[in-house]
Amino acid sequence: GAVVSQHPSWVICKSGTSVKIECRSLDFQATTMFWYRQFPKQSLMLMATSNEGSKATYEQGVEKDKFLINHASLTLSTLTVTSAHPEDSSFYICSARARQGGNTEAFFGQGTRLTVV
Amino acid sequence: RKEVEQDPGPFNVPEGATVAFNCTYSNSASQSFFWYRQDCRKEPKLLMSVYSSGNEDGRFTAQLNRASQYISLLIRDSKLSDSATYLCVVPRGGSQGNLIFGKGTKLSVKP
Repeated sequence: GAVVSQHPSWVICKSGTSVKIECRSLDFQATTMFWYRQFPKQSLMLMATSNEGSKATYEQGVEKDKFLINHASLTLSTLTVTSAHPEDSSFYICSARARQGGNTEAFFGQGTRLTVV
Repeated sequence: RKEVEQDPGPFNVPEGATVAFNCTYSNSASQSFFWYRQDCRKEPKLLMSVYSSGNEDGRFTAQLNRASQYISLLIRDSKLSDSATYLCVVPRGGSQGNLIFGKGTKLSVKP
């Protein structure tokens, strides 16, 4: 099946610094990728939709200036958490949808566990 | 009604038991639905897709009731390896839309 690779898998950073997370579709082209955040014991919450060649669409309550999304190519989207604070510590997951036969399945990256200290 | 709402769980069942989860959705125009499985500290993985009235794959059966706007997942002959969180997923705004996840139902299968 399709593969989505996310990097890094975990990162620890100091409060106030920025962290970039990469999401790559390895064997298919993804015009749209999605970024989710998951806090402990909670479900995945959609943060934004990343569109290749255009601005991302953010969900209500998600600060676009804090969570910068760039989708420079059909296989790469990046999420940058700027001026990270401890409350940004979470599990960030990207996904991309690929057509498999008549269905459109979402494939997920391995996730990035961010800890801000 | 929330976009996607699931049984709160957790479900603690013995091996071999049959267990069912329900999920309700608010968008009556939704055409496709998914059940994902998420293991602790891992990314979600697709378990089943539901496009018509239902789908069956081995011990797993998903059923769709459009009139009542709910989807169910039935697991027969539970295995220890079925222990995970099961996420009900509904695309927002059509089949190509963003995937909206339910909060998940945690299943724990005991020996």
